[in-house]
Amino acid sequence: AQKITQTQPGMFVQEKEAVTLDCTYDTSDQSYGLFWYKQPSSGEMIFLIYQGSYDEQNATEGRYSLNFQKARKSANLVISASQLGDSAMYFCAMREAQGGSEKLVFGKGTKLTVNP
Amino acid sequence: EAQVTQNPRYLITVTGKKLTVTCSQNMNHEYMSWYRQDPGLGLRQIYYSMNVEVTDKGDVPEGYKVSRKEKRNFPLILESPSPNQTSLYFCASSLSQTGVGGYEQYFGPGTRLTVT
Repeated sequence: AQKITQTQPGMFVQEKEAVTLDCTYDTSDQSYGLFWYKQPSSGEMIFLIYQGSYDEQNATEGRYSLNFQKARKSANLVISASQLGDSAMYFCAMREAQGGSEKLVFGKGTKLTVNP
Repeated sequence: EAQVTQNPRYLITVTGKKLTVTCSQNMNHEYMSWYRQDPGLGLRQIYYSMNVEVTDKGDVPEGYKVSRKEKRNFPLILESPSPNQTSLYFCASSLSQTGVGGYEQYFGPGTRLTVT
């Protein structure tokens, strides 16, 4: 069963507007972490933001915020004031810790295109 | 500069010819991991290591081997590569904290492997 679901293969947004990238997850653990990574066309993976399952407040990092709804098991990324440089693939990932081991599971990604 | 390095960055090889992709980190991280990225599938974990001499299978370990003899190095070995192992490979490292943890994974630049 897929543990991280990103339902939007592609998204378009106008420059300077806000955009929300969806991510839902599936876990029975009480303790887990959620990450968002950006992958520009150059290929590197860039960490954007983290949300812990016990964090009561939504995480924010500059123009990035994570809309964490634990009961709905969703962790949507909100990018405010989009810039042309935000055009990239975005991956949601979940870190699980089970039996002393840790795994990071990724979604299939959303390709964001920012139009001028 | 804190970084994860991978070599080679690009490799074209033939079926059955053993190869090793090196990965090294200079951040004294305990946790290291290998992923492969294929179009439409996102990143999938191959193997990971919680510490020296401690390795475990990820989601797609078949056809790969790893070793962790030193904390900084985590090579990926393909004993007999096949065309279905043509992919983009990423090495990553992080501090490790079982349970609640927020440590991001730092990714290497990627190795694009083609097996003909």
